[in-house]
Amino acid sequence: EPEVTQTPSHQVTQMGQEVILRCVPISNHLYFYWYRQILGQKVEFLVSFYNNEISEKSEIFDDQFSVERPDGSNFTLKIRSTKLEDSAMYFCASTLSGTGGEKLFFGSGTQLSVL
Amino acid sequence: SQQGEEDPQALSIQEGENATMNCSYKTSINNLQWYRQNSGRGLVHLILIRSNEREKHSGRLRVTLDTSKKSSSLLITASRAADTASYFCATATHTGTASKLTFGTGTRLQVTL
Repeated sequence: EPEVTQTPSHQVTQMGQEVILRCVPISNHLYFYWYRQILGQKVEFLVSFYNNEISEKSEIFDDQFSVERPDGSNFTLKIRSTKLEDSAMYFCASTLSGTGGEKLFFGSGTQLSVL
Repeated sequence: SQQGEEDPQALSIQEGENATMNCSYKTSINNLQWYRQNSGRGLVHLILIRSNEREKHSGRLRVTLDTSKKSSSLLITASRAADTASYFCATATHTGTASKLTFGTGTRLQVTL
């Protein structure tokens, strides 16, 4: 089965630093998502992206966050100035359509630790 | 309760027994999905049930959906030690031009030999 790949698997950064989390969605998918999971808590929606623009974003996705599809294969999440509370597992996902009628394909996640 | 609350929070059973997990939600949905997560790993899709379906099977998995009660259940039959994981329900709503999943709190399943 095709896979969503995420790099790096672990990222450690100092508070206030910028981080970029990278994802390669499944090649023919058109809709892309970022979710995060703080240790021991729910998986939370951050943002959805389609046709080179944000489709929807949650309250968590404030001005410190941005997403980009810099080329035909990568999808990135940037956190401009990391805070301690940004420590979480970040999951990228993709779907072929955005109709809400299909499963999301998730990557294996990037564990971000902000010190 | 919040959208997507699983019950129980933790479940411990012996291999060969059946495991039942329940999920409740609050808003109208397009579909409901169940995902599995091994400790510290990614989310693996198990099964999707649409809002107009009442029951669905996939191998040892059986999912039911009661939209009048806004609840779903996941049954794993003849459990194996390898089924040990956290299980999440996720409701899908179609918003804007993309779908969005709202995850529940999860049930941690422990299957012992």
